[in-house]
Amino acid sequence: QVQLQESGPGLVRPSETLSLTCGVSGGYISAYYWSWIRQSPGKRLEWIGHIYYSGSTNSNPSLKSRVTISLDTSKNQFSLKLGSVTAADTAVYYCARSYSGSYPDAFEIWGQGTMVTVSS
Amino acid sequence: IVLTQSPGTLSLSPGERATLSCRASQSVTSSYLAWYQQKPGQAPRLLIYGASSRAIGIPDKFSGSGSGTDFTLTISWLEPEDFAVYYCQQYGSSPGTFGQGTKVEIK
Repeated sequence: QVQLQESGPGLVRPSETLSLTCGVSGGYISAYYWSWIRQSPGKRLEWIGHIYYSGSTNSNPSLKSRVTISLDTSKNQFSLKLGSVTAADTAVYYCARSYSGSYPDAFEIWGQGTMVTVSS
Repeated sequence: IVLTQSPGTLSLSPGERATLSCRASQSVTSSYLAWYQQKPGQAPRLLIYGASSRAIGIPDKFSGSGSGTDFTLTISWLEPEDFAVYYCQQYGSSPGTFGQGTKVEIK
């Protein structure tokens, strides 16, 4: 059974870059959409972006200029970089996998989430 | 697309039926509407996709219905493990968006 696990710093300074990795276990990075989603305290869930196993990406226009999502199939993981962070980027960050390989699709498998705080 | 869920909180007793609503600001393409359950400290869990299809392993007490702009999640018989927050999500138009959630609490 495929499982996802986020890793990365829990504290990031304002104006710096937030970097997270999602490790995939119990299966391989394959023909699905691999996404990042965040949940800020008191706010609704927000889709950040996704990468397909081919390497093609898409991201939320509200964040697009700051988001980079990449894939490392040799390590069976994918990553998120969010630049120029502010306190508004403080959130629990989840990685997730689509239900099927088709687009668009719901999010079937989720990581446990990792809390990232932006503060000096 | 903005999703508005109602009510904000639903207070019910075990054994009762729960009806949750999700209204979209514009029509959801091809009924690409999902429902998730989230418990404190946990990630969301996919319950329903395509407005009415249950995800793998989801019991049939959960059912989804609706089309266009109005969607409903019904939990036919509440059990203790069902008290949680439920979110709807539309994924037919990019960017996909989530509702603000409905909390189902024990009365």
